[in-house]
Amino acid sequence: GDSVTQMEGPVTLSEEAFLTINCTYTATGYPSLFWYVQYPGEGLQLLLKATKADDKGSNKGFEATYRKETTSFHLEKGSVQVSDSAVYFCALSLLPSSASKIIFGSGTRLSIRP
Amino acid sequence: DAGVTQSPTHLIKTRGQHVTLRCSPISGHKSVSWYQQVLGQGPQFIFQYYEKEERGRGNFPDRFSARQFPNYSSELNVNALLLGDSALYLCASSLAGSQPQHFGDGTRLSIL
Repeated sequence: GDSVTQMEGPVTLSEEAFLTINCTYTATGYPSLFWYVQYPGEGLQLLLKATKADDKGSNKGFEATYRKETTSFHLEKGSVQVSDSAVYFCALSLLPSSASKIIFGSGTRLSIRP
Repeated sequence: DAGVTQSPTHLIKTRGQHVTLRCSPISGHKSVSWYQQVLGQGPQFIFQYYEKEERGRGNFPDRFSARQFPNYSSELNVNALLLGDSALYLCASSLAGSQPQHFGDGTRLSIL
């Protein structure tokens, strides 16, 4: 079935370090891909998205490129900040066949040291 | 404009009881989806409603049900609560069942 696999956490980095969180997917059809972020005690916020192969989503210094050949959507940021500490979820959606159902990975907890 | 609002914020129930969770979508959004997020895991899709009709259902038992009202708000009902139903229940709304979905802060349900 359709699924998302992302690197297990927790990931701990120092401020200004480079970040990569790996994400791969399995899907029938042509999914849209997403990264969501969840800050402590809050719901999910859409961080970025890409809807077709080779698209690059970007927001707040984060980037991810939709790689169909490797079925991947890795999240990167060049210089992390303490405020980036959160749980990050990679996700996919198979519109229109599955309405707006989103399939999430298990999440990666990121902690940034000052 | 207000975002997606959910109530209550926290809830404690005992096994066998029934619970109703409520969600108000962003103004103008006609689609509401419900997700269950167990501690340490990603959210799992439960239901999607659009224009008051069920448009999608996840792999959850019949104890879970939902509905959408004419004002597009929604309720999630869970009967015969089990310890394993303890989770954060998230509601998301979107314009027409498409992306992006906007999430509320969730209702944290604890079953004793």
